[in-house]
Amino acid sequence: QITLKESGPTLVKPTQTLTLTCTFSGFSLSTSGEGVGWIRQPPGRPLEWLALAYWNDDNRYNPTLRYRLTITKDTSKNQVVLTMTNVDPVDTATYYCAHGKKGNWFDPWGQGTLVTVSS
Amino acid sequence: DIVMTQSPDSLALSLGERATISCKSSQSVLYSSNNMNYLAWYQQKPGQPPKVLIYWASTRGSGVPDRFSGSGSGTDFTLTISSLQAEDVAVYYCQQYYDTPRTFGQGTRVEIK
Repeated sequence: QITLKESGPTLVKPTQTLTLTCTFSGFSLSTSGEGVGWIRQPPGRPLEWLALAYWNDDNRYNPTLRYRLTITKDTSKNQVVLTMTNVDPVDTATYYCAHGKKGNWFDPWGQGTLVTVSS
Repeated sequence: DIVMTQSPDSLALSLGERATISCKSSQSVLYSSNNMNYLAWYQQKPGQPPKVLIYWASTRGSGVPDRFSGSGSGTDFTLTISSLQAEDVAVYYCQQYYDTPRTFGQGTRVEIK
């Protein structure tokens, strides 16, 4: 059974760097084809894909946020970390991580973590 | 980027009625080498994360009731709920995984009339 859980701050000030951790179980990011994605959802708004970390370090980013995002993996800890620099109130959202194998849909998803950007 | 456009934005139907949601992609998500459509449908209930209902455009996810079905190919796809139940109240999203950036539709809210 695959599970994922997001963790990180609930409140971040504008211009700061946001660091979110996804801790997962039930698969290994050292296995060919495996991946973890980050998706966010502003309150009352649609889903927006942010980034994907793959087993082979072929990481992918949303081009609109590319220069603010970094995704890294720690295979030994079964964790994927997403950092977002220079946050703004428009980055207020629930951030989800999800299991996403290469060329596949996202399944399952973590419960999500609400991050508010406010001074 | 592949733009995913859903219609309608919302619909309200009576219990037992058929619900039909359309999703159109700005370019084909049919991969010619394997003849698979890289299209998924998700259901998101209030306060919950999305859950996959359909992948490969027409394959039901594990444990998904058979009243949910997906169809279509290329750029035009449909999610059908054959007989709407109270527990189906949710927002439904389509998503393409043909290419990055992965993109979602804007969502369709389904309510009971």
